[in-house]
Amino acid sequence: DIQMTQSPSSLSGSVGDSVTITCRASQRIGFYLNWYQQKPGKAPELLIYGTSNLQTGVPSRFSGSGSGSDFTLNITSLHPEDFATYYCQQSYSAPRTFGPGTKLEIK
Amino acid sequence: QVQLVQSGAEVKKPGSSVKVSCRASGGTFNSYSISWVRQAPGQGLEWVGDIIPLLGAANYAKSLQGRIRIFADGSTNTAYMELSSLRFEDTAVYYCAKVGAGPASAFDIWGQGTMVTVSS
Repeated sequence: DIQMTQSPSSLSGSVGDSVTITCRASQRIGFYLNWYQQKPGKAPELLIYGTSNLQTGVPSRFSGSGSGSDFTLNITSLHPEDFATYYCQQSYSAPRTFGPGTKLEIK
Repeated sequence: QVQLVQSGAEVKKPGSSVKVSCRASGGTFNSYSISWVRQAPGQGLEWVGDIIPLLGAANYAKSLQGRIRIFADGSTNTAYMELSSLRFEDTAVYYCAKVGAGPASAFDIWGQGTMVTVSS
């Protein structure tokens, strides 16, 4: 199985800040990397698919990049509603494993 | 727009079984795969299996092989996840998710989640 790691496990920021979350796969996965946002008590929501494609309705302050085994999620100009937990997921091969998550908290 | 609506919370005893349903509305049920993901309290997301309703073919996480069954009823646009021989560590929120079209195969629509509590 492909193992996914994320860093940091948590970070804090203020409204208006920019943050970067990284995700690493245990092997090369091409562009088959997706990002999800989850708020407490809610189901995850797809933010970015295929490394850099914004899901419909997701604000343009979110962006994704990377290739091979290293990927990043960038959020510019944090809004209050962006404080949540973010998960990466590889869809290169079954099982479609998730990273452990990065909790973004308000400073 | 596809919506996924799951069945309600369950409390089960160790050793028993649970069946969680996921009903799809909108779209063509047989045109996409459904995945199941679980999340133990305070923990991350764990893929547990998926099914292609059109084919009836299911795949399962190795950790649950032999205890999990995923199947679908095309006549009611409903997918089911059945977990048997329940253990305390199966306590989790179980989500169904639609697998999007295209090569990325991302989970683009999620059900609201079903809390399964295993307690004696």
